[in-house]
Amino acid sequence: QLQLQESGPGLVKPSETLSLTCTVSGGSISSSSYYWGWIRQPPGKGLEWIGSIYYSGSTYYNPSLKSRVTISVDTSKNQFSLKLSSVTAADTAVYYCASHMVQGVINPVGWFDPWGQGTLVTVSS
Amino acid sequence: SYELTQPPSVSVSPGQTARITCSGDALPKQYAYWYQQKPGQAPVLVIYKDSERPSGIPERFSGSSSGTTVTLTISGVQAEDEADYYCQSADSSVVFGGGTKLTVL
Repeated sequence: QLQLQESGPGLVKPSETLSLTCTVSGGSISSSSYYWGWIRQPPGKGLEWIGSIYYSGSTYYNPSLKSRVTISVDTSKNQFSLKLSSVTAADTAVYYCASHMVQGVINPVGWFDPWGQGTLVTVSS
Repeated sequence: SYELTQPPSVSVSPGQTARITCSGDALPKQYAYWYQQKPGQAPVLVIYKDSERPSGIPERFSGSSSGTTVTLTISGVQAEDEADYYCQSADSSVVFGGGTKLTVL
């Protein structure tokens, strides 16, 4: 079955770019069945969707983060990645990657399953 | 922007039925999904498409929809069901509810 694992620096300085990678195992990232998504959770708070990508490179982004977010896919490595620019302390969160079963054609309607274990990224100087 | 509203907390005794609601204007048109999150763990999908249960999820978890409200029902609550529960849907963007902390008394 699908398994996802996040990796990347746990500490990022303010104004710099946060970069994370999600490695997919147990299946191909090029599967036509899935998008691949990023979700974050600030400490003690709720979940916030960041964006999702298809293996072809088609993306959906959260409008509130769109200006700072880039999600890309590397099918040769079975990985997809997140870059979040100009980070502040408000971007401190556990970042999760997940398989996104998108059902819609024009909207990112669908569910996330399974999820990676998450990685804590702290923004601090 | 589109919002989903959940009660912050729900408390039940073991063996009773817990009902967690989620309200949103787009719910009559869009499916809802439910996740369980235990402390220090990633969320786990427990209900998709309003009322479908993924394999491996106990039968005591069920979902329903009526108008602008969807409901996650946990029948015969067990101590292990104590967790945060989040609803999720999507319109032009993916949205999560604020989460409900289920306490088993």
